[in-house]
Amino acid sequence: SYELTQPPSVSVSPGQTAKITCSGDALPKRYAYWYQQKPGQAPVLVIYKDSERPSGIPERFSGSSSGTTATLTISGVQAEDAADYFCQSADSSATNLWVFGGGTRLTVL
Amino acid sequence: EVQLVESGGGLVQPGGSLRLSCAASGFTFSNYWMSWVRQAPGKGLEWVANIKQDGSEKKYVDSAKGRFTISRDNAKKSLYLQMNSLRVEDTAVYYCARSITTYEGSGSYEVYFDYWGQGNLVTVSS
Repeated sequence: SYELTQPPSVSVSPGQTAKITCSGDALPKRYAYWYQQKPGQAPVLVIYKDSERPSGIPERFSGSSSGTTATLTISGVQAEDAADYFCQSADSSATNLWVFGGGTRLTVL
Repeated sequence: EVQLVESGGGLVQPGGSLRLSCAASGFTFSNYWMSWVRQAPGKGLEWVANIKQDGSEKKYVDSAKGRFTISRDNAKKSLYLQMNSLRVEDTAVYYCARSITTYEGSGSYEVYFDYWGQGNLVTVSS
């Protein structure tokens, strides 16, 4: 089965830049998507197609992808950005298996 | 405003059945693929199933094949998940999600989830 690998946790101070990575063998051929989930709430899409930002998502959220690694960058982190972040993608074949990474907990110190 | 409201969850014994529903509003339901995604307590997200606009295509994660059935009623703007032969490991919050689905050719689809419901807890326990 296909897997996406994320670091379990990332910690930054307010105003700093947070980078959360997502590794997967099929990422050179597939888009990465990122979701933010706060405790007790449903996930919210923050980045789609590697680097596109949905309307209503602050400009400090950006995404990139290179080779087998996709990266979510949060510039000028604010306290309200503390949350779990999940990447999502698919394997490179036509098995149509859509998977999520294990999630990264962002702590704002 | 897009709204997705799930219902039908609860406590069920192993081997039992449950039917989840999701009522959609604020968008043209019949224009979108729809999906179910679940999250076990304290765990990550897992895509479970999705269904094409007209119901002609359905896809499932391996652990759901043969036990779960996704369906929709476009007239009622509703999505359903019939879950049979439930297992303890099916315990999770189940989310209904609107899916942006693009056919990439050679049987491959690009899928992501742009709106989510608030989730509905299913507990499988004796």
